[in-house]
Amino acid sequence: NAGVTQTPKFRVLKTGQSMTLLCAQDMNHEYMYWYRQDPGMGLRLIHYSVGEGTTAKGEVPDGYNVSRLKKQNFLLGLESAAPSQTSVYFCASSWGRDTQYFGPGTRLTVL
Amino acid sequence: GESVGLHLPTLSVQEGDNSIINCAYSNSASDYFIWYKQESGKGPQFIIDIRSNMDKRQGQRVTVLLNKTVKHLSLQIAATQPGDSAVYFCAETDYGGSQGNLIFGKGTKLSVKP
Repeated sequence: NAGVTQTPKFRVLKTGQSMTLLCAQDMNHEYMYWYRQDPGMGLRLIHYSVGEGTTAKGEVPDGYNVSRLKKQNFLLGLESAAPSQTSVYFCASSWGRDTQYFGPGTRLTVL
Repeated sequence: GESVGLHLPTLSVQEGDNSIINCAYSNSASDYFIWYKQESGKGPQFIIDIRSNMDKRQGQRVTVLLNKTVKHLSLQIAATQPGDSAVYFCAETDYGGSQGNLIFGKGTKLSVKP
């Protein structure tokens, strides 16, 4: 099993550009999550999903959108990137409201 | 313990010594706790978990202690090795609550001296 995978690993955007981060899991987990990690801030939840076709806002949802069209995939979109969105983004998945398994991360820089 | 501001607290230990990393959690209703390890450039990795009906749980070289009275969690690593160097996060959740999302601490950096 690959576990949780994320693409791309690195990306540089200019302010105002858009992009989509892809998360995939092969553990048949119901729950999936997107976090951002900034120095000294720990992990902050952006959006999450409790099943295919569902999404919900986390702690810091502004400027991001998500979709969960297939159970194994969770997409994070930035419609108009801002320098404040420079961060490392982690996807995670879980069976339920318990242990979350994380992907390797995507390092995004917005110039 | 938990970090304040931009700099993570750092624990520096000699190889072979035992390490103790502390975490103060915030929600008295939290009933499930997890410790994660994050190596540089990688995603957080599950180490061990504990439910609120326990006060101690042991894994391979790791022990988690839970003190609900003072809302304190600790991770003990026995015979610390250079490969244990990483940032360690605690996470809490109200498992039976309406939201149930994990709340993460800001982390403690463990540095192991050979």
